[in-house]
Amino acid sequence: GIQVEQSPPDLILQEGANSTLRCNFSDSVNNLQWFHQNPWGQLINLFYIPSGTKQNGRLSATTVATERYSLLYISSSQTTDSGVYFCAVDSGGSNYKLTFGKGTLLTVNP
Amino acid sequence: DSGVTQTPKHLITATGQRVTLRCSPRSGDLSVYWYQQSLDQGLQFLIQYYNGEERAKGNILERFSAQQFPDLHSELNLSSLELGDSALYFCASSVELGRTQYFGPGTRLTVL
Repeated sequence: GIQVEQSPPDLILQEGANSTLRCNFSDSVNNLQWFHQNPWGQLINLFYIPSGTKQNGRLSATTVATERYSLLYISSSQTTDSGVYFCAVDSGGSNYKLTFGKGTLLTVNP
Repeated sequence: DSGVTQTPKHLITATGQRVTLRCSPRSGDLSVYWYQQSLDQGLQFLIQYYNGEERAKGNILERFSAQQFPDLHSELNLSSLELGDSALYFCASSVELGRTQYFGPGTRLTVL
């Protein structure tokens, strides 16, 4: 099946710093989503981005489908940005299950 | 709030028991997915339904079963529970296959 690798596995920032999270995938995708799992365990959908670039406030994402990677940018980070960021993809076909990466654990210190 | 609801939020039970987790998708969403998140396996797909029909199965144990009802809510049944079944179980829904999946708050299952 499709493989999803995220980097870095851990990231520690000071409030106000910027960061870039990367997601590499091993095959063409029908769907790519970025999620934030907060300390309470909730999975919050950030972007649906199988290709192209999107922005939502301080967050933006870019997926280059032909090169099989996606980037999540967080600018002016806040302590509430802490948590685990997951990239998940589906390769379509007969089902549309999401295959998740292992995540990036982001800690933003005040 | 994603619009997907799951009950109960927490469940504590003993080995060998059976439990039922419930999910109500977002209004208008036809597809429901179940995922399991555990420390050792990460987030894994279990099973998918579309408009009442099973569409795909992932790493779902034979002790587990699910269904989607005519009103589109779904239930995940876990039986003969083992310690290793302790995990966070998520339900997600999408309006159509391949579209954005929105996740519920999860049910945290603890098997003692």
